[in-house]
Amino acid sequence: EPEVTQTPSHQVTQMGQEVILRCVPISNHLYFYWYRQILGQKVEFLVSFYNNEISEKSEIFDDQFSVERPDGSNFTLKIRSTKLEDSAMYFCASSEAGSGLGAEAFFGQGTRLTVV
Amino acid sequence: AQSVTQLGSHVSVSEGALVLLRCNYSSSVPPYLFWYVQYPNQGLQLLLKYTTGATLVKGINGFEAEFKKSETSFHLTKPSAHMSDAAEYFCAVSNPNTGNQFYFGTGTSLTVIP
Repeated sequence: EPEVTQTPSHQVTQMGQEVILRCVPISNHLYFYWYRQILGQKVEFLVSFYNNEISEKSEIFDDQFSVERPDGSNFTLKIRSTKLEDSAMYFCASSEAGSGLGAEAFFGQGTRLTVV
Repeated sequence: AQSVTQLGSHVSVSEGALVLLRCNYSSSVPPYLFWYVQYPNQGLQLLLKYTTGATLVKGINGFEAEFKKSETSFHLTKPSAHMSDAAEYFCAVSNPNTGNQFYFGTGTSLTVIP
């Protein structure tokens, strides 16, 4: 069964460093998302991406964050100058169609980012 | 604006008992509705979804949910809990025809007591 894969599964970084979280969405999907879940809290939307551009982003997704689809398969989230409060589980998701059409998102296993 | 409320951050049931996890939503239009399950140290897995049509939807692992527009609810049920059902459950909504994101509730942690 096709699945969304994320690497690495766990990343530890020093405060102020840049990190890149990588995702390989399901191959025929067109919509891509990043969510995060701070330990014990709700799943929060960061950004959605379609047709090689951001379609929506939340208040959390400030200039510190960027997304890219550098080739036909990868979808990356870059966090510049990480802060302690960026420590969270980051989930990548993809969907065949937009959420506005009722398509469900398929989630990866997540990358646990720990900023020290 | 969309929002999702899950009443009860922790629910405990005995093995074999009915599981009822509550979800209410707020939306200017009837949204699309989803339930996801998260097992420890794993990602979110879709249990079921409602878009249109029959308001009672069946999902994987014996779960079902009913969309009640008048109550703005989409509660998740399972007639008989199994130990393997212990997990975190998230209700989510999306807005038909607009936007491109899912809005999640705060989650309900289900404990199954043997």
